[in-house]
Amino acid sequence: AQKITQTQPGMFVQEKEAVTLDCTYDTSDPSYGLFWYKQPSSGEMIFLIYQGSYDQQNATEGRYSLNFQKARKSANLVISASQLGDSAMYFCAMREGWTDKLIFGTGTRLQVFP
Amino acid sequence: GAVVSQHPSRVICKSGTSVKIECRSLDFQATTMFWYRQFPKKSLMLMATSNEGSKATYEQGVEKDKFLINHASLTLSTLTVTSAHPEDSSFYICSASKEQGGNTIYFGEGSWLTVV
Repeated sequence: AQKITQTQPGMFVQEKEAVTLDCTYDTSDPSYGLFWYKQPSSGEMIFLIYQGSYDQQNATEGRYSLNFQKARKSANLVISASQLGDSAMYFCAMREGWTDKLIFGTGTRLQVFP
Repeated sequence: GAVVSQHPSRVICKSGTSVKIECRSLDFQATTMFWYRQFPKKSLMLMATSNEGSKATYEQGVEKDKFLINHASLTLSTLTVTSAHPEDSSFYICSASKEQGGNTIYFGEGSWLTVV
């Protein structure tokens, strides 16, 4: 069965520092996609970054990068130069095959302090 | 700007009544949309796949008669919580993508349902 694991319930980081949020996954399907979303207290799910299973290079989107280690089945999110506005819940999610259904991890609450 | 819109953002209803939540794709057509439920401080759990022009596909353990899903057009899916009870109080959120299997799946703003 497909599964997403986020082992960090909470993380603290100082403003302007980088932080890594961990995500491991398990699937037997060779085709899959990995997503990271940010969820502020308002509840909306903000798409951050995507990595496809066949992508050769790690995805990057501005201050966000995804450290994709396929053999280890990990897809960690790296946020560089943290900002106070980055404080939120962060969810790792995996697409099942080529559908758009997502399986979510339990999330990591990131708090950025001055 | 938002590409998937959800309404209402917050709703309070009395026990025993029904409440409808709408999910719209704003600038694209979506043959499938997805409905998730999120309990406080928990993760998102997929409830069902909304299929345009056909019946929704429900995940195991989700009562289809309780959570009615209608996808009458390519831009609108609705979730109706029937005969609501306090335990139905939750955050409901929908998603859609412009291209199946693509690299971006968009979510609506979510709807907070409180049943009193």
